[in-house]
Amino acid sequence: GQSLEQPSEVTAVEGAIVQINCTYQTSGFYGLSWYQQHDGGAPTFLSYNALDGLEETGRFSSFLSRSDSYGYLLLQELQMKDSASYFCAVTTGYSSASKIIFGSGTRLSIRP
Amino acid sequence: DADVTQTPRNRITKTGKRIMLECSQTKGHDRMYWYRQDPGLGLRLIYYSFDVKDINKGEISDGYSVSRQAQAKFSLSLESAIPNQTALYFCATSDPTGSDEQFFGPGTRLTVL
Repeated sequence: GQSLEQPSEVTAVEGAIVQINCTYQTSGFYGLSWYQQHDGGAPTFLSYNALDGLEETGRFSSFLSRSDSYGYLLLQELQMKDSASYFCAVTTGYSSASKIIFGSGTRLSIRP
Repeated sequence: DADVTQTPRNRITKTGKRIMLECSQTKGHDRMYWYRQDPGLGLRLIYYSFDVKDINKGEISDGYSVSRQAQAKFSLSLESAIPNQTALYFCATSDPTGSDEQFFGPGTRLTVL
């Protein structure tokens, strides 16, 4: 079967750094994405890793290790507005028939 | 104006009723998707379409059907709604180049009594 595992909840302090891990088991792996969703809102795209290594976009970074079927999202200099749910998602399938499978999400709570 | 729109935004219906949720997009993307979101279960794919003549089942298609009326329109129907279909439904589009980033509509909150 295909599955993604990520922690259900993480709590961190404003200004700190937090890492949200994601492990996956899928077939025909193309890449790992991260999405952010605030309460009452729609998911929005944060990052995508197709190759091993670290991708940095401002305060957010995302890492992928294809050999370990593992990735993480790193959030630095946490702000209260970063309180949200974060979903990892794998693009899977074959050739033109790829689709995206989402993890169950990690709810990040930020304390002052 | 929003690139991906969904109607209605909220709907309360009764068991056994037929319901249609509509999605329109102005992004010019060929790929469109319907997801369902339940607390603690993330987003689960119901159906997806890679072009007007292409419809594919996702992981939870039972009890649902779809229609791709045009490149810009993708509708989801519940033929006979049941209470466990109460959920938040999202439509999304994507451009398959690069990351296949999903662009989500605002969601439809459906309650089946």
